[in-house]
Amino acid sequence: QKEVEQNSGPLSVPEGAIASLNCTYSDRGSQSFFWYRQYSGKSPELIMSIYSNGDKEDGRFTAQLNKASQYVSLLIRDSQPSDSATYLCAVTEGGSARQLTFGSGTQLTVLP
Amino acid sequence: NAGVTQTPKFQVLKTGQSMTLQCAQDMNHNSMYWYRQDPGMGLRLIYYSASEGTTDKGEVPNGYNVSRLNKREFSLRLESAAPSQTSVYFCASRAAAGGTQYFGPGTRLTVL
Repeated sequence: QKEVEQNSGPLSVPEGAIASLNCTYSDRGSQSFFWYRQYSGKSPELIMSIYSNGDKEDGRFTAQLNKASQYVSLLIRDSQPSDSATYLCAVTEGGSARQLTFGSGTQLTVLP
Repeated sequence: NAGVTQTPKFQVLKTGQSMTLQCAQDMNHNSMYWYRQDPGMGLRLIYYSASEGTTDKGEVPNGYNVSRLNKREFSLRLESAAPSQTSVYFCASRAAAGGTQYFGPGTRLTVL
């Protein structure tokens, strides 16, 4: 069974710091990787997608992928209290309409 | 565009009652999905529809049925609700395999 593992947290960082969220996956055939943010009581929203090894930056967010180590991470620079949420890592096989496999999420709290 | 819509937002059922959760998307997406989210469990796939006219089981299909009514609509039916089906249900859609998955606002279901 395909697995996606995340530290459940909670992870607390002070405002302005870098938050680092990590995710490992078991299926070497995985080709598409996503980070979703979910505020309490709300639905998940996509914040980053990454498909190839290396870094991908979008504003204050950087996704990092290492397929050899089966590891994907999300860095949030200059963390803001509004970043406080649960972050879900999701993985899917390339070319598959079947499904995303989600981790259980990491709860992040940014302290003012 | 409304994106992905779900009805109802909240529902309380008694054990043994039946109900249908409705989902619609206006993004002309081929694939649609039903997930449930329980505390500490992340998102688990119940059923999905890769394209109009097809449906397949996901990770936790027992106790549920689905209908892909047309390209826009994908419904989830509980024939005989059980307390174990108390959860938050999310519908999602995706344009193409490996692409971004968009979520609806969710239905919070309680079975007494």
